[in-house]
Amino acid sequence: DQQVKQNSPSLSVQEGRISILNCDYTNSMFDYFLWYKKYPAEGPTFLISISSIKDKNEDGRFTVFLNKSAKHLSLHIVPSQPGDSAVYFCAAAPGTASKLTFGTGTRLQVTL
Amino acid sequence: DAGVTQSPTHLIKTRGQHVTLRCSPISGHKSVSWYQQVLGQGPQFIFQYYEKEERGRGNFPDRFSARQFPNYSSELNVNALLLGDSALYLCASSLVVLTGELFFGEGSRLTVL
Repeated sequence: DQQVKQNSPSLSVQEGRISILNCDYTNSMFDYFLWYKKYPAEGPTFLISISSIKDKNEDGRFTVFLNKSAKHLSLHIVPSQPGDSAVYFCAAAPGTASKLTFGTGTRLQVTL
Repeated sequence: DAGVTQSPTHLIKTRGQHVTLRCSPISGHKSVSWYQQVLGQGPQFIFQYYEKEERGRGNFPDRFSARQFPNYSSELNVNALLLGDSALYLCASSLVVLTGELFFGEGSRLTVL
């Protein structure tokens, strides 16, 4: 049972444009959500998080939006840069716990 | 400052064997978590340890065990290896136990033949 779903395995975006990565979840107990970025041969790196008391969190070029009623979150990257090319994982947890449930990842390719 | 270090980086075992994976957390981090990432999937939670005590366990069989040492390093042990145990095993550390902001190592890639 996939409790966190990333339905787009890959996404290609031109440099300078907006990248939008999507994530859906099914477990109503999840109220803390994170995005991780992973380059080849490296471990995942924390990017940004949001708790269920908010619907938006920004950090520089990265913004995460949470729609609790739809059980959906998205990561916006503006403007996209070639260095953003990586696999992005959505993760969720009940409370601020460390036991994260990850999605299957979306491979973002930012082209010149 | 050194990040999370894991050893070995790659290893090959045969079915039925035992494996021990090691992890050193970032200095000052007292919590260590282990995740399994099968090809094409996201990481899946196996264990969390904090101050040498198990604080969480994922849906893995008893063949999987772990421990944390007084210096906060950790070992993951897997007995009676199966082909399906082939995966990237990721260790992550954090300052506190209740946070999702984990610092991951590069992982140990286990191949079971």
